[in-house]
Amino acid sequence: QVRLQESGPGLVKPSETLSLTCTVSGGSISPYYWSWIRQSPGKELEWIGYIDYSGDTKFNPSLKSRVTISGDTSKNQLSLKLSSVTAADAAVYYCARASALVGAADAFDIWGQGTMVTVSS
Amino acid sequence: DIQMTQSPSTLSASVGDRITITCRASQRISSWLAWYQHKPGKAPKFLIYKASSLESGVPSRFSGSGSGTEFTLTISSLQPEDFATYYCQQYNSYPLTFGGGTKVEI
Repeated sequence: QVRLQESGPGLVKPSETLSLTCTVSGGSISPYYWSWIRQSPGKELEWIGYIDYSGDTKFNPSLKSRVTISGDTSKNQLSLKLSSVTAADAAVYYCARASALVGAADAFDIWGQGTMVTVSS
Repeated sequence: DIQMTQSPSTLSASVGDRITITCRASQRISSWLAWYQHKPGKAPKFLIYKASSLESGVPSRFSGSGSGTEFTLTISSLQPEDFATYYCQQYNSYPLTFGGGTKVEI
C-alpha cells in the first residue's frame, strides 16, 4: 500500500524559502507523476506543480517564478521549495500521486495527510 | 484558468438520504473531472475519475455524471462514514483547478 508523508518546518519567516519533503513508502516514485497541492485557510485547493518520472516539471503560472520541485529516486522522496514566502503562502501542503488509470492522468489517486505551514516572523 | 464552482457549499443530511452535489466548470472540460472525499486530518480520498468512473474500492453508492460544464456527484444512501467534504477537480487543462468544496454534515 503506497503511503505519502509530507514533512518540513511548520513555521517559516516572511521572505524566506519554504522547504518540504514528501516521502513515498510502499512503492516507487517511478514511473509516476507527483504533484504538490496546497490549501490556505478558507480557500480552495490550489495545484502548485508536478514532477514526472523523468524529472520534467510543470508549474501553476501563479507560482512558477518561486517554485522548485525535485525528486530523489534513491530516497523515494519529492521536495518542494517555495521562495520569498508571504502570509499568503500559509497553508496545508499536500503531495499527491497522479493516477496511472487510462482517462485519469492528472487526477490524484493517492494523497498525503498534508503538513501545515505558518508564515510569521 | 478554468474556474470550478461547487454547490451547495454545505449540505445537511441524514443517514440513508440520497444527496447530490453539483460542480460547474467555467469552460467545457469534456469529461475530465475527478471527485475526492476529504475528512479533517486525513488524506483526501480519490472517488471518481472521467466524471463517472468509480475508483477501485469505492462503494457503489457513489456515482458521478455529467460532461462539458456541469457535473454531479450522487451518494445514493448516505452512510455515517460519508460525512466529509467533497471536492471536484478538472484535469482538462493546466493549471489543474479544484472546486471550493461541499461539506456534508448531519
